Formats: sequence, structure tokens, C-alpha cells
Amino acid sequence: GAGVSQSPRYKVAKRGQDVALRCDPISGHVSLFWYQQALGQGPEFLTYFQNEAQLDKSGLPSDRFFAERPEGSVSTLKIQRTQQEDSAVYLCASSPAGTGSREQYFGPGTRLTVT
Amino acid sequence: GESVGLHLPTLSVQEGDNSIINCAYSNSASDYFIWYKQESGKGPQFIIDIRSNMDKRQGQRVTVLLNKTVKHLSLQIAATQPGDSAVYFCAEIPSSGYSTLTFGKGTMLLVSP
Repeated sequence: GAGVSQSPRYKVAKRGQDVALRCDPISGHVSLFWYQQALGQGPEFLTYFQNEAQLDKSGLPSDRFFAERPEGSVSTLKIQRTQQEDSAVYLCASSPAGTGSREQYFGPGTRLTVT
Repeated sequence: GESVGLHLPTLSVQEGDNSIINCAYSNSASDYFIWYKQESGKGPQFIIDIRSNMDKRQGQRVTVLLNKTVKHLSLQIAATQPGDSAVYFCAEIPSSGYSTLTFGKGTMLLVSP
């Protein structure tokens, strides 16, 4: 079946612009995770949803970052007033019920470049 | 902590060789350890995991070894193929209920035909 999809795949934003990154998880997956991956680094956790509930947002780097999953499926990561340090690949992952963090399926990511 | 930045540790091997990729982890209380493969332009892909109460687990062409004494994890790939070329990350899951993946530093594996 279809895997996790993300859009857009590439986004160039001017400093100060707002961006919205979309994640379509695997159908039926309860858990959804967002990660930020800087060039040459491992992914770093941003936030976690179980269905529509955002249970952990401890990894969001500032209040300019906001994520939502209103109907428990598609999720959007919004970054307001983008800064150059926001340039990174943003990865989304989903996992079935009962597996928690172990069985995560990752999307291809959105590469954000802030100029 | 130490940052690898753009200079990932790199392992270069010939096709058919066995590869060993190493990882040091920090949390002795972690419950699961996972190896991921990430190809250019793609998200990480699960390879194999191991629970903390085990010291070895085998999959298809891959073996993961866990040494809790020195907090060391390794991934062995048998008969490495050009398609194995990618960045490999280890990740750990702390044991306290729900928890997130914490990724370690990556290693780039380059396989020459």
C-alpha cells in the first residue's frame, strides 16, 4: 500500500515568511511524529500525535513552530516568520496502534531552504 | 554534544565484503535499539531492532550486536552490495512508557562494485 507522503518535497522561503508542510500518514496509523534533520545529522524529534491529540511537543524549537492533526490523519507543521536556522529536512513518520515509537514509517521529507 | 556536521564518518568497502557499522549510545536505561538506513533524498528505513535484554539478533544479511557493558551497538552487513550504500543511523528508545526515538550520529557506507 501507499507509504507516508509529504508535500511539498522542496520549499524555498524568504526569511520572515510563513510555511506549511503537510504529512499524509499511512491510512489507519494512530501515531504521527515530526522530526527535523539538519544536513549531516540524525533526525531530531519535534512533536508527537496520537490520533488528533498532540501528546508531546517538547522538541519544537520555538513558539514559531506549530503542528496540528485536527482529524487524526493528515498533519501540518507550520513555521512562522522563518529564519535561516530553520533550513533543514522535515520528516514525518507514522506508526500503527500499540507499537509506540518502535515501528515508525518515515516519509521522504520536505527540504526547507530559508534564504 | 559533539557534532559531526557535514563530515559524516565514512566506511568504504568493496562489493561482497562484510561491513561493520558501530554506534555508541548514551542511555543505559534504553529499552530498544534500532538501526535505520537512509538513502539520499529519502526518509530513514527500518532495518532491524534489538531489545535491551538481548545481545544479538539476526535478520536477512544483517546482524545487530549489543554490548551493554560499554554501551555499544553494531550492525554487521554480510556480502555488502552497491544497493547498501547509504547513511546508517542507530536510534534508541528509553524504557519509560511512551518515548521518542533518539538518533545517534550517522555513518555513510560506500560500496564499490
